[in-house]
Amino acid sequence: DVKVTQSSRYLVKRTGEKVFLECVQDMDHENMFWYRQDPGLGLRLIYFSYDVKMKEKGDIPEGYSVSREKKERFSLILESASTNQTSMYLCASSTLIGTGQGSYEQYFGPGTRLTVT
Amino acid sequence: GIQVEQSPPDLILQEGANSTLRCNFSDSVNNLQWFHQNPWGQLINLFYIPSGTKQNGRLSATTVATERYSLLYISSSQTTDSGVYFCAVLGNYQLIWGAGTKLIIKP
Repeated sequence: DVKVTQSSRYLVKRTGEKVFLECVQDMDHENMFWYRQDPGLGLRLIYFSYDVKMKEKGDIPEGYSVSREKKERFSLILESASTNQTSMYLCASSTLIGTGQGSYEQYFGPGTRLTVT
Repeated sequence: GIQVEQSPPDLILQEGANSTLRCNFSDSVNNLQWFHQNPWGQLINLFYIPSGTKQNGRLSATTVATERYSLLYISSSQTTDSGVYFCAVLGNYQLIWGAGTKLIIKP
């Protein structure tokens, strides 16, 4: 079974702090994704990566950066946390499009509920 | 871009009831997934079903790609089925999500 893990289930940080959210997958997937989920707004894509050291902006990249130094690990960085970044953060991984049955099926980690005070 | 609509938005049922959740999409797709988000926020993969029918225990799903809809069937509902059910289709290298159906199963 695919396993995607996230470093914390709950996190409380202060405004202005630098925050790191870590995600690790064990299925050798090429693609990794970071989403945030807010009531009434659904899941919104922040960034994704299709290879080591490669990244692409999603729909709401402002205020975030990412790092992918190893294939299995994708980090989301909040350079200076703000209260409007209080949210549920979800990491996912998938194979590349066109690589066979079930390609691009995304698998999610348990999520990190981040509160910025 | 592709639009994804789910219905109904909310559903309240007694334990043991059956239900059908619908997902309509506005353009042809070659990737469709159903997820269950449990009360703790975890998104659990239910089906990867761009076309055809699949079954997994009490759950089954059917996608009619030519008519641009997918259905998720839940039979003999249990309280653990409560949560939000999402369908998502592949757009331009990213998933396009429906707003979800919130299902509450009462004991």
